[in-house]
Amino acid sequence: EPEVTQTPSHQVTQMGQEVILRCVPISNHLYFYWYRQILGQKVEFLVSFYNNEISEKSEIFDDQFSVERPDGSNFTLKIRSTKLEDSAMYFCASSEQGFPQETQYFGPGTRLLVL
Amino acid sequence: DQQVKQNSPSLSVQEGRISILNCDYTNSMFDYFLWYKKYPAEGPTFLISISSIKDKNEDGRFTVFLNKSAKHLSLHIVPSQPGDSAVYFCAASGISGSARQLTFGSGTQLTVLP
Repeated sequence: EPEVTQTPSHQVTQMGQEVILRCVPISNHLYFYWYRQILGQKVEFLVSFYNNEISEKSEIFDDQFSVERPDGSNFTLKIRSTKLEDSAMYFCASSEQGFPQETQYFGPGTRLLVL
Repeated sequence: DQQVKQNSPSLSVQEGRISILNCDYTNSMFDYFLWYKKYPAEGPTFLISISSIKDKNEDGRFTVFLNKSAKHLSLHIVPSQPGDSAVYFCAASGISGSARQLTFGSGTQLTVLP
């Protein structure tokens, strides 16, 4: 069964460093998403991406964040200068369509720890 | 901002009995609702969904009920099995831009006792 994959599974970085989280969405999916879950809190939407551009972003997704689909298979989230509060599980998701009602399938997540 | 609420952080049920997980929402623009199951250190796994034009959707042991007037949905698992023990998240979405963002509840930890 096709699935969303994410690398790395864990990432430890120093505050102020740049990190890139990678995702390979399900191959025939057209819509891509990043969510995060800070320990003990809800899963929160960060950004959605379609047709090589951002469709929506939350207020969490500030100028420190960027997304890219550098080739036909990868979807990346870059945090330019990490802060302590960026420590969280980051989940990538993809869906075949964006609307009217389409299920998003999630990857296993990357646990990011900023020291 | 708690547009999707799961008021029970935990639920314990005996194996073979019914598990009922509840979810309330406040945003009347939500028109699609999903349940996800999550094990520790894994991503959310899709279980079942329901459109706002329906009031019930069934898939095997899982049934989701939607009461739009009460802005309430529930997930029924019957019979419950020990492997169902996980955190269950309710999520909702509505038309926004060209793609949909999911708004999640805080989750309910289900424990099915053998």
